[in-house]
Amino acid sequence: EVHLVESGGGVVQPGGSLRLSCAASGFAVSSNYMTWVRQAPGKGLEWVSLIYGSGVPTYADSMRGRFTISRDNSKNMLYLQMNSLRAEDTAIYYCATPGEHFPIWAFHYWGQGTLVTVSS
Amino acid sequence: QSALTQPPSASGSPGQSVTISCTGTSSDIGAHNYVSWYQQHPGKAPRLMIYEVTGRPSGVPDRFSGSKSGNTASLTVSGLQAEDEADYYCTSYAGNKNMVFGGGTKLTVL
Repeated sequence: EVHLVESGGGVVQPGGSLRLSCAASGFAVSSNYMTWVRQAPGKGLEWVSLIYGSGVPTYADSMRGRFTISRDNSKNMLYLQMNSLRAEDTAIYYCATPGEHFPIWAFHYWGQGTLVTVSS
Repeated sequence: QSALTQPPSASGSPGQSVTISCTGTSSDIGAHNYVSWYQQHPGKAPRLMIYEVTGRPSGVPDRFSGSKSGNTASLTVSGLQAEDEADYYCTSYAGNKNMVFGGGTKLTVL
């Protein structure tokens, strides 16, 4: 059974950094597309970043240069390194994946999310 | 990447049908069939309801259907039930390894 569990959220000051983790089970992150999606309090969903099975990353324009997606195949983990954080980065961050039976941009499996709060 | 346009709200009585629109451009919805729809109940993670415009994952009731015409995609919920009350989001691949979400539609079952 596919399972995703995010961690690493918390309160960070503007300009600070934070690394989010997503522990995957039931499948291999190395051979699947993995993505991060965020949701600001009371707002809609926003795509953040995706890493292809080949390891190639891609980012939303507003996150490119500040966020870095990566994975550790040996630990079956997905990460999101967030630098130069701003108040508008405050959100619940979800990791998600299509899994093995859905196309790349259709995220069938989601974690429960981890809350990042950027505040002084 | 501009967000896709959805109506902020929609409503219908139990048993009725409701259609939620999602308008994009010739670079996203108009150019690709990678349109998905997600349902989100308060405090919960999103749930994939429709993929590739019309595909329906196992476990999603066949009351949910998707379609696309030009730059606009639509989600239709037939035979509305109380548990369908939720927020619904459309997404589309936007080319150049990017994707974009709609702003979301709050569906109320009257």
